[in-house]
Amino acid sequence: SYVLTQPPSVSVAPGQTARITCGGSNIASKSVHWYQQKPGQAPVLVVYDDSDRPSGIPERFSGSNSGNTATLTISRVEAGDEADYYCQVWGSRSDHPGVFGAGTKVTVL
Amino acid sequence: EVQLLESGGDLVQPGGSLRLSCAASGFTFSSYAMSWVRQAPGKGLEWVSAMSGSGGRSINDNGGRTYYADSVKGRFTISRDNSKSTLYLQMNSLRAEDSAIYYCAKDRRYRASVLDYWGQGTLVTVSS
Repeated sequence: SYVLTQPPSVSVAPGQTARITCGGSNIASKSVHWYQQKPGQAPVLVVYDDSDRPSGIPERFSGSNSGNTATLTISRVEAGDEADYYCQVWGSRSDHPGVFGAGTKVTVL
Repeated sequence: EVQLLESGGDLVQPGGSLRLSCAASGFTFSSYAMSWVRQAPGKGLEWVSAMSGSGGRSINDNGGRTYYADSVKGRFTISRDNSKSTLYLQMNSLRAEDSAIYYCAKDRRYRASVLDYWGQGTLVTVSS
């Protein structure tokens, strides 16, 4: 099945920019979605279809997708952005559901 | 306001069965794909199963395309009752590795692709 590769952790100082990558074979041919999950809470969709934001998600969250890497960028990082972030694509096989990356823990220093 | 309320999680012995339910409100349930995603303690997300929606066709049509992860295929069955705005997951032949929080999630579209609303989850523990 399709494999998505994320770095286990990313650290960033407040006010700086965090970039979280999601690697996959020719991932640019797929729509990539990103979820934020804080401890003890359900995931929240923050970016869908590579770069679109659901209503209520700050403009600080943006996404891009090219070649073999998709990227979630968090600008002007705040303490409240500390969370696990997961990328996701729909399954590569017709009978399989979606696939998630293993997740990236974002730590705000 | 979209709300998803899961129920049915419990402690069950290996080899046992359990049925999870997800009561939905705040949107036209029949139109959208719905999914179950699980998360074992301290682990990442695993998409367990999905079922497409009617896309605006008759709410009496409870059928829809279904998808299963290899880890649950043949043991779990997803279904929906559009008249009750409720999603189900029948889980049979449960194993210890099925222990997890099970989330119900709504898709943005009638065909499964991306999950825009999630419930708070229900805990399933498989242990003797």
